[in-house]
Amino acid sequence: RKEVEQDPGPFNVPEGATVAFNCTYSNSASQSFFWYRQDCRKEPKLLMSVYSSGNEDGRFTAQLNRASQYISLLIRDSKLSDSATYLCVVNRNNDMRFGAGTRLTVKP
Amino acid sequence: NAGVTQTPKFQVLKTGQSMTLQCAQDMNHNSMYWYRQDPGMGLRLIYYSASEGTTDKGEVPNGYNVSRLNKREFSLRLESAAPSQTSVYFCASSRRDPGNEQYFGPGTRLTVT
Repeated sequence: RKEVEQDPGPFNVPEGATVAFNCTYSNSASQSFFWYRQDCRKEPKLLMSVYSSGNEDGRFTAQLNRASQYISLLIRDSKLSDSATYLCVVNRNNDMRFGAGTRLTVKP
Repeated sequence: NAGVTQTPKFQVLKTGQSMTLQCAQDMNHNSMYWYRQDPGMGLRLIYYSASEGTTDKGEVPNGYNVSRLNKREFSLRLESAAPSQTSVYFCASSRRDPGNEQYFGPGTRLTVT
């Protein structure tokens, strides 16, 4: 079983839609959590950290459920520019583990 | 600031050849990392360096060696390339430990035939 699992998608949504991704992790001792964004054939870039109380950054909301060991990312009012692969990242003792990513395509 | 730079961008090797991938950062970061990314899999850590003069194995170190030449530069060497090492290689850096935001280079696409 992979340490970090994501639905690979693809998620195809129209502009303006709300879309949510989930990510599950297997190690309950994991300490910090992140969402990265990766455009096609580009490097990953940090989208947002995920805090225990949940956090929001504009149209993006991240939540953490430690009891169920999953992390979510909600994107509201999707834009064409949100089309990318979203990587869930889990850190334990400075060992960062990446999910394989969820691909999102936003269509006009 | 250029951020994290990597050379080369593309490389084709024959089985058994050796090469070194170069990485440099100009953000005065202490920690640097090498990852590989394969289709359907997440990025996997090959080696990392928490500070100048130290290196540690990651999840998939076999077949690779690294050198932290100074605070700015961290190189990855394939001594005898194998087809299984065909991948996209990313270098990254962070201010301190991996729990902080990592900044990635543009990647090196390596094909071993």
